[in-house]
Amino acid sequence: DQQVKQNSPSLSVQEGRISILNCDYTNSMFDYFLWYKKYPAEGPTFLISISSIKDKNEDGRFTVFLNKSAKHLSLHIVPSQPGDSAVYFCAASALGTASKLTFGTGTRLQVTL
Amino acid sequence: GAVVSQHPSWVICKSGTSVKIECRSLDFQATTMFWYRQFPKQSLMLMATSNEGSKATYEQGVEKDKFLINHASLTLSTLTVTSAHPEDSSFYICSAPQLAGGEGDTQYFGPGTRLTVL
Repeated sequence: DQQVKQNSPSLSVQEGRISILNCDYTNSMFDYFLWYKKYPAEGPTFLISISSIKDKNEDGRFTVFLNKSAKHLSLHIVPSQPGDSAVYFCAASALGTASKLTFGTGTRLQVTL
Repeated sequence: GAVVSQHPSWVICKSGTSVKIECRSLDFQATTMFWYRQFPKQSLMLMATSNEGSKATYEQGVEKDKFLINHASLTLSTLTVTSAHPEDSSFYICSAPQLAGGEGDTQYFGPGTRLTVL
């Protein structure tokens, strides 16, 4: 029972363009969401988060959009850089904070020159 | 950001032996820490919540007698894989939440421990 899904296992984007990573969830109790970047054999690195009381949060090149009615969130990276190439995970919590996270399946982003 | 360390970063052991993995929050206190496991090309799965001064709480399907968790201080949690078998081979990652309120809340993850059981 995968409660958080990232339907695109991989994504390739040209340097300088926008990367859009998508995440869908089924549990309506989820009320706090995070995006992480991960390299192989390393722990995830936090990128950005959003609570369910908002529909957008921005931090530098990263913007997260939340559509509660569609149970969908997305991460926009603009402009994309080669160093952004990694696996991106969305994660969700039902506790209103960054606790007891359920992770998505991950999307491998490759930013090409 | 805050730093969480793990030790060892990798370990190879024989089947039937026990392995201890340490997780430390280096610059903040964590009354709660989390242990995750990641199999190759799969997502991170929450195994258990480590609570300082009390028993850990385990997710459904995780054997508490096999994965012993001790949260001895506000900066240290340990995971011991007892009587390890090849199917326990995985990447184990710990995390500690830093709750600043609102969108400042996050979990910081350690670098992970690669366990290989022969």
